Amino acid sequence: EAAVTQSPRNKVTVTGGNVTLSCRQTNSHNYMYWYRQDTGHGLRLIHYSYGAGNLQIGDVPDGYKATRTTQEDFFLLLELASPSQTSLYFCASSDATNYEQYFGPGTRLTVL
Amino acid sequence: AQSVTQPDARVTVSEGASLQLRCKYSYSGTPYLFWYVQYPRQGLQLLLKYYSGDPVVQGVNGFEAEFSKSNSSFHLRKASVHWSDSAVYFCVLSVFNYAQGLTFGLGTRVSVFP
Repeated sequence: EAAVTQSPRNKVTVTGGNVTLSCRQTNSHNYMYWYRQDTGHGLRLIHYSYGAGNLQIGDVPDGYKATRTTQEDFFLLLELASPSQTSLYFCASSDATNYEQYFGPGTRLTVL
Repeated sequence: AQSVTQPDARVTVSEGASLQLRCKYSYSGTPYLFWYVQYPRQGLQLLLKYYSGDPVVQGVNGFEAEFSKSNSSFHLRKASVHWSDSAVYFCVLSVFNYAQGLTFGLGTRVSVFP
């Protein structure tokens, strides 16, 4: 069974704050993704990665950085958080031969 | 660019009744299609997937979906719903290029009443 974990599960910060969301997968998957989920927009891709040290830009990258430090770990960074980044964030992983993605439980971020 | 449309934002159904959730996609090539479910305060879980072959695919918990290339559709069905099926259901499209990630519909919220 695929396993993707995220931390923290909930985070509150203030405008201009610095936030790091963490994701770890234990499936030896090459691909990892960060999405945000907002009412009326569904899930939208922020960044993704093919492997350690690789980063690709998704559909809504503005205001976000990401870093893939190992095959297992993928981080999403908000260096100057804004209220528009209040959202539910999901991490996912997949391998090179299977198109389905496995999702973590999500991190709810509130920017005041 | 590809897209997914789920025309019903909310569906209410009685326990034991049948359920159909509609999904239309737009993509010029061969799509890979999924249905994911999101239970309250949980992440997304895969219900079923279609890559090729038999257009009717079976999933978990009694769900099935039917792919129609002529109608560009991938509708989800269940013959008899349980209260535990209350959740948000997403129709999802993947193309043969990981750079695109997954393209999600907006989801259909299903409420099952006893």
